[in-house]
Amino acid sequence: EIVLTQSPGTLSLSPGERATLSCRASQSVSSSYLAWYQQKPGQAPRLLIYGASSRATGIPDRFSGSGSGTDFTLTISRLEPEDFAVYYCQQYGSSPETFGQGTKVEIK
Amino acid sequence: QLQLQESGSGLVKPSQTLSLTCAVSGGSISSGGYSWSWIRQPPGKGLEWIGYIYHSGSTYYNPSLKSRVTISVDRSKNQFSLKLSSVTAADTAVYYCATQRGSFDYWGQGTLVTVSS
Repeated sequence: EIVLTQSPGTLSLSPGERATLSCRASQSVSSSYLAWYQQKPGQAPRLLIYGASSRATGIPDRFSGSGSGTDFTLTISRLEPEDFAVYYCQQYGSSPETFGQGTKVEIK
Repeated sequence: QLQLQESGSGLVKPSQTLSLTCAVSGGSISSGGYSWSWIRQPPGKGLEWIGYIYHSGSTYYNPSLKSRVTISVDRSKNQFSLKLSSVTAADTAVYYCATQRGSFDYWGQGTLVTVSS
């Protein structure tokens, strides 16, 4: 099973700032089958990025994903008030599919 | 656009079987292209993939739960179901159904299942 470790656990930033979230895999994620999700309290997760760098339908271009192998990054170029949430990475290159433990982006 | 809605018992006694259903609208569960998945999230914790069923009926389960999980599909009702047997307090979680093409594209709103006597 591939273990995904996200860092930092919490990111305290102000609106307008840039957020950089990391996801590191215990083994190489084949074909960059890595996704990112946003989850707000009381809501289901929402797909942001798939294939490590492709934005899902309707996702603003301030969200971008990069990386390959074992190291992946989600970048939010300029934080909007609605972006403060928990973010999860997920790999689907190897079964079982696994998620990271999450990074909380909070208002500083 | 696909929409998913979970339903089922919100309270299950220890050692009994948890049963949930996911109703699909906006598309046919029999069409190809998607797997139909269950994911859970214990209160205040992260996400765990439970398993999925293909439109063909093939199933794949998380090895950590495989001995207790059954996912099935009812094409006539355009829905799929989850059964988790021999539940304990550790199975208390919000259970989500979702479509899967590798990543999880569409999600239901989730339903809280509490295991308690």
